[in-house]
Amino acid sequence: GESVGLHLPTLSVQEGDNSIINCAYSNSASDYFIWYKQESGKGPQFIIDIRSNMDKRQGQRVTVLLNKTVKHLSLQIAATQPGDSAVYFCAAVSGGYQKVTFGTGTKLQVIP
Amino acid sequence: NAGVTQTPKFRVLKTGQSMTLLCAQDMNHEYMYWYRQDPGMGLRLIHYSVGEGTTAKGEVPDGYNVSRLKKQNFLLGLESAAPSQTSVYFCASTPLGPSGGASSGSYNEQFFGPGTRLTVL
Repeated sequence: GESVGLHLPTLSVQEGDNSIINCAYSNSASDYFIWYKQESGKGPQFIIDIRSNMDKRQGQRVTVLLNKTVKHLSLQIAATQPGDSAVYFCAAVSGGYQKVTFGTGTKLQVIP
Repeated sequence: NAGVTQTPKFRVLKTGQSMTLLCAQDMNHEYMYWYRQDPGMGLRLIHYSVGEGTTAKGEVPDGYNVSRLKKQNFLLGLESAAPSQTSVYFCASTPLGPSGGASSGSYNEQFFGPGTRLTVL
């Protein structure tokens, strides 16, 4: 079956620096990729998504890069703030919502 | 709008007991989902519904049943709880199906509830 994995379980970043969280996926037929943020005790929150026919998408302070050649996805957070501290995980969608594969998550710790 | 709400927030059961988790959304969304989240694993889909009166199995449906009698509610039932069902359960909803939202070029966002932490002793 498909797998989605994050490269680091924990990432510590100084406040104001940029953060990069990486993710690898196995299914080349995935249609969409999504990044979620999950704060302690809360449900996942959509951050940004990217379709498989794109290689970059930007949002507010966040950028997602997709490299289909090596099946790699990254989330870049500019000027990381304490409020960005959370678990971030990626998901790959293929063929519909019943086929969403979620990664395990990277815990981002922002050092003031 | 309250968004997606889940009740209860916490529950402790003994093996063999039954219970129902309630998910409610006030956004008039068509699709609803139940996931479980376990340490070291990604979210896994238990069951989902593409509209009122419909349900379908997800990745890990065994030991669970669901019902969608009203569009705004999606119930997850455990008939005979087992320790392996100790987990955090999340409900989610989306306005349209997998192919919806194509005009914006964006994936159809899933809205998640706050979760229910279930412990089975």
